[in-house]
Amino acid sequence: EAGVVQSPRYKIIEKKQPVAFWCNPISGHNTLYWYLQNLGQGPELLIRYENEEAVDDSQLPKDRFSAERLKGVDSTLKIQPAELGDSAVYLCASSLDQSTEAFFGQGTRLTVV
Amino acid sequence: AQSVAQPEDQVNVAEGNPLTVKCTYSVSGNPYLFWYVQYPNRGLQFLLKYITGDNLVKGSYGFEAEFNKSQTSFHLKKPSALVSDSALYFCAVRDLNTGGFKTIFGAGTRLFVKA
Repeated sequence: EAGVVQSPRYKIIEKKQPVAFWCNPISGHNTLYWYLQNLGQGPELLIRYENEEAVDDSQLPKDRFSAERLKGVDSTLKIQPAELGDSAVYLCASSLDQSTEAFFGQGTRLTVV
Repeated sequence: AQSVAQPEDQVNVAEGNPLTVKCTYSVSGNPYLFWYVQYPNRGLQFLLKYITGDNLVKGSYGFEAEFNKSQTSFHLKKPSALVSDSALYFCAVRDLNTGGFKTIFGAGTRLFVKA
């Protein structure tokens, strides 16, 4: 069974440019998460979806970040415009539902220069 | 508010020796506890979890963790460390009594196993 797939693996952009990340969760997983992981730190939740509904986006900087999960399967996370401080690893994870453990993708390492 | 602490940035152990990676937590209700491992350039991999029942939980790769309610701890253990266990380990907690099902991760502990 395929795990959580994320693309791209690496992205380098100039500040003020837009960037988008894509995530394909494990088949049948209703809950999808986007996490931000800074170097030397644990993941921090940005947004959680239950099917296509964003049920927890309290940590998402909504002035520049947006996310969508159309049809309750794949999801995209966008940053526009990117800032230097956005350089980090963006992790996508999915779980069967909100009460079970999450499985993580390999992440997208973003470098903003 | 829920929180989780991993008091050691790094743990060093010789191959074949037992290892312990410490984790303490704080929740207002009943905890749902996890351990994840992260290898270089890889995503987090689930190791084990505790919801209820036996305080000693067994997981992947020979790891186990002991839930201690009075000490609010969930330390990760392995009887005999392998060099391949060297990685970054994260403890996480979810408060089952809150409606948000939000999982909080610790800052991580880097484990070095020396041959």
